[in-house]
Amino acid sequence: GAVVSQHPSWVICKSGTSVKIECRSLDFQATTMFWYRQFPKQSLMLMATSNEGSKATYEQGVEKDKFLINHASLTLSTLTVTSAHPEDSSFYICSARDPRGLATTYEQYFGPGTRLTVT
Amino acid sequence: QKEVEQNSGPLSVPEGAIASLNCTYSDRGSQSFFWYRQYSGKSPELIMFIYSNGDKEDGRFTAQLNKASQYVSLLIRDSQPSDSATYLCAVNESNTGKLIFGQGTTLQVKP
Repeated sequence: GAVVSQHPSWVICKSGTSVKIECRSLDFQATTMFWYRQFPKQSLMLMATSNEGSKATYEQGVEKDKFLINHASLTLSTLTVTSAHPEDSSFYICSARDPRGLATTYEQYFGPGTRLTVT
Repeated sequence: QKEVEQNSGPLSVPEGAIASLNCTYSDRGSQSFFWYRQYSGKSPELIMFIYSNGDKEDGRFTAQLNKASQYVSLLIRDSQPSDSATYLCAVNESNTGKLIFGQGTTLQVKP
């Protein structure tokens, strides 16, 4: 399968600061990447769809000014949590759609995730 | 609201048995169906995907799809304790291509 990396794997920051998380597709070019958030004992919640060269599409209820997404190249998308607060503490996971599969299968491969703790 | 439903479990099976995980979905236009395995504290790992009615086998795993019944299942043969994890069913949303995830089924394989 395709390989997706994320950095950092964990981060602790103080309330009010900003944190940037990077997501990279290592062995393929991803025109579309996705950002998810997962709280303990819950399933994945899609936050936004990141498209290379265009603005991200945010899901309903996700503040685009708080969660800034940039997909500047075919292998890199970044998520910046601005003015972080303790309630933003969560497991953030990116995924990338592998374009080498069938056009209708839409396989997504996940990065290892970033655990954010805001104190 | 397009939905994917899974029994949260836990589903407990003895080592060596067959584990059967089930999933139903509401979007009749969905074309692709995925099973992900997620260990505690880790991100999901793609196990299998299926897009045609019937069975698809890969090693100890078999995915089954019945579009008429809007039903997807995953069978794990010869279950091992290392299979203990949460299994997420995901379905592509027909008009966007986004994946809709179920809540996941926790599988416990007891030695």
